[in-house]
Amino acid sequence: DTGVSQNPRHKITKRGQNVTFRCDPISEHNRLYWYRQTLGQGPEFLTYFQNEAQLEKSRLLSDRFSAERPKGSFSTLEIQRTEQGDSAMYLCASSPLSHSIGETQYFGPGTRLLVL
Amino acid sequence: AQSVTQLDSQVPVFEEAPVELRCNYSSSVSVYLFWYVQYPNQGLQLLLKYLSGSTLVKGINGFEAEFNKSQTSFHLRKPSVHISDTAEYFCAVRNRTYSGGGADGLTFGKGTHLIIQP
Repeated sequence: DTGVSQNPRHKITKRGQNVTFRCDPISEHNRLYWYRQTLGQGPEFLTYFQNEAQLEKSRLLSDRFSAERPKGSFSTLEIQRTEQGDSAMYLCASSPLSHSIGETQYFGPGTRLLVL
Repeated sequence: AQSVTQLDSQVPVFEEAPVELRCNYSSSVSVYLFWYVQYPNQGLQLLLKYLSGSTLVKGINGFEAEFNKSQTSFHLRKPSVHISDTAEYFCAVRNRTYSGGGADGLTFGKGTHLIIQP
């Protein structure tokens, strides 16, 4: 399967713990995006990378959230001191570098986080 | 700032009947428009997108959408639905140019759950 992969698919943690998610984009895709989706809502943009550079962060990305893409390939999203409000599906997407930013974003299956 | 409104949270339709899922958007700048589908326990899959040119866009699985600039709408249609079309459908927009301020990702609506009845 050469699509976007995310690990783990499910994570249950206790409030106050740190969690880290991984996203492996489609090979050779330069852009990588993180979104959060809560029940009954559409995905909300969190941040994106072009190669290893983090170019944009949403106001939704509090100081407890940090994302990295150290070698311009896979990315990690860490949440420190988790809160119950962090419970959501975390989606990763990738797209090729293109002159058109209307380029299609390909989504992974997501990591579902439950904070108890 | 941008926003996307999908007025119908659920749309029940009989199999082989036509369907229209409504999407309206608000933006101070020109945007690209997308429809994504999310099947149960799967990731989002692109159905179709409008970048420029003809306002009638055809996508996968027999879906099409029409961009109406004056009404700021991008409604999704299918002439005859199948049981396998049961899914959540999301309309999304994105700025045509990079503008920062968190606006470079896709802005999604809340989704419409399409329920196909036999």
